[in-house]
This record gives sequence, structure tokens and C-alpha cells, in this order.
Amino acid sequence: GQNIDQPTEMTATEGAIVQINCTYQTSGFNGLFWYQQHAGEAPTFLSYNVLDGLEEKGRFSSFLSRSKGYSYLLLKELQMKDSASYLCAGMDSNYQLIWGAGTKLIIKP
Amino acid sequence: GAVVSQHPSRVICKSGTSVKIECRSLDFQATTMFWYRQFPKKSLMLMATSNEGSKATYEQGVEKDKFLINHASLTLSTLTVTSAHPEDSSFYICSASATSGPIGGQETQYFGPGTRLLVL
Repeated sequence: GQNIDQPTEMTATEGAIVQINCTYQTSGFNGLFWYQQHAGEAPTFLSYNVLDGLEEKGRFSSFLSRSKGYSYLLLKELQMKDSASYLCAGMDSNYQLIWGAGTKLIIKP
Repeated sequence: GAVVSQHPSRVICKSGTSVKIECRSLDFQATTMFWYRQFPKKSLMLMATSNEGSKATYEQGVEKDKFLINHASLTLSTLTVTSAHPEDSSFYICSASATSGPIGGQETQYFGPGTRLLVL
């Protein structure tokens, strides 16, 4: 079956670094997405990885290992506004997104 | 980046009435649009995949006669909740699929802002 696993909740301190892990199993693979979702709002696109390695985009970076079925989202210099849910989604061979349940990130001052 | 709009953003209706939600890709053409439903504190649930000019593909357990989807053009898909009931109250989100990247091979979904439906 198809499955996406990510932690339910994480807590980090303002200014610190946090890594949110995601493991995936999909029927075929057309990429791994990370989305940010603030409470009551639709998700916003953060990153897309289809090749192994690290993609850096400002304070946010995303890593993919296809052989391990593993990805992580790295957030640096955390700000209070980064408090949100972070959704990991794998795209299968039919270009359909398989969603994880999301990781709620709590930032403390 | 690509922009997807939804209208209305919020709607309150009486039980038994029908509600139409529009999803538009503003600056790109989307051959495929997706409709999701999100329950509080839960992940997005895919309801159906909408392809321009053809019938939508519904996920298992989603009633096609209750949730009517029309993808009339490359920039517009509509979801009509027919004979709405209080249990249909939810956050409905659409997304549109765009191909981008230097070689045009990267499929990315861009989400609309969502429509909050409350059925009384």
C-alpha cells in the first residue's frame, strides 16, 4: 500500500533549527512535496524534490533519499510565524499526491 | 508562482440547498484540478480529480451525485454540493496542476485558499 509517515508534533525554540522527517511508500514515484499550513488556511507550497540531495531555499531546505524512501524539511533561524503544520506528500506514478497527516510545529520564545 | 483562487471563501447555507464552489487558475492553464476536503485536525482528503472536458474521477466513498464536479475550461473547475446537510460542513480546498521547471517536467500542485462551508 501507499503510506506517508511523519511525526505528529514537534516543539522548537525561536532562533533554533528543526528537522521534520518523512518516510514514504508510493506506487511509483514522481517527487516529494512539502507544504506549510497555518490553522484555518489552505496549504502553501514549500518545496519539491525528485532527485536525491538537498534543495535549499532561504531558511528552508528539503532533502530526499529515494533509496531510503526518506525526506526531511529543515527550518533554520526559527521565527514565531513558522508555527504551523508541515505536510509531506509523495506523488505516485499517476501524479496523485499521497498526503501525510502533517507535523504540528510549535515554536516557543 | 502560479495562483489559484476559490470563490466563495466562506459560505453559510440552509440544509437542503445546493452550494457551488469555483476554483480558478489565474495565470496558467490547468488540465487537471483536484478537490480536497479537510476535517479539523486531520489531513487533506482527496475527493475527486477533475480533468478538463471529461468526467471527474471520484475517490472511493465520495458520492458523485452529491458532489458534482464540472471542469468546463482549462482555468475553471466547480464543485457543487447538492442538498447540503450539516455533516457536509467542512473546509473544501481545490488545487490545480501545473507543469514547470527548466525542462517542463516538474508537476506541481498549487492550492486555492479554500472555502469554508457551514450548513445549518
